[in-house]
Amino acid sequence: EVQLVQSGAEVKKPGESLRISCQGSGYRFFDYWISWVRQMPGKGLEWMGKVDPSDSKTNYSPSFQGHVSISVDRSISTAYLQWSSLEASDTAIYYCEVGSSYWGQGTLVTVSS
Amino acid sequence: NFMLTQPHSVSESPGKTVIISCTRNSGNIANNYIQWYQQRPGSAPTTVIYEDNQRPSGVPDRFSGSIDSSSNSAYLTISGLRTDDEADYYCQSYNLNNNVFGGGTKLTVL
Repeated sequence: EVQLVQSGAEVKKPGESLRISCQGSGYRFFDYWISWVRQMPGKGLEWMGKVDPSDSKTNYSPSFQGHVSISVDRSISTAYLQWSSLEASDTAIYYCEVGSSYWGQGTLVTVSS
Repeated sequence: NFMLTQPHSVSESPGKTVIISCTRNSGNIANNYIQWYQQRPGSAPTTVIYEDNQRPSGVPDRFSGSIDSSSNSAYLTISGLRTDDEADYYCQSYNLNNNVFGGGTKLTVL
């Protein structure tokens, strides 16, 4: 059974850094790009970017390029989404997704002073 | 880049059939696969259609997907509507290295 398990909810202050994770199991980790998707409160889904676990190549939506970083640790079948300096507008639920078929449970990130 | 436009909301009665559209504003809709996702309130999205018209295991055949090149649109058809089909539905496609979601359609079953 394919599973994507994401890290728990986070509460941060503006300007702080953060890394959230998504661990895959039940499939060949190298076979599928892993995407990250944002959902702001009461809003729709937004594609942020993706990483190829086989070579760590990344692609970003122009809307998120330069504001977040996506990476992968193949040794533990885990993808990461990282911010160096959070803003209040980063408050959202973040989902990882694989193969247009499987989704993580979501990670709520709250950024507030 | 391109956009995918969906109706903001649709409503229909239990047992009926509803069709949700997803129109691509540039580029041929048939050139890149369309996916459809269901999101119930407070839950993560789940896939109901992938690669235009394929159903993941466990998704009932009441859900079907289609493509119409003449209207440059994709369609999600849900037949035999049930109250638990009430949810937000999103289409999604891609080009080159970029993925795009539609704005979502709120389905009300009343």
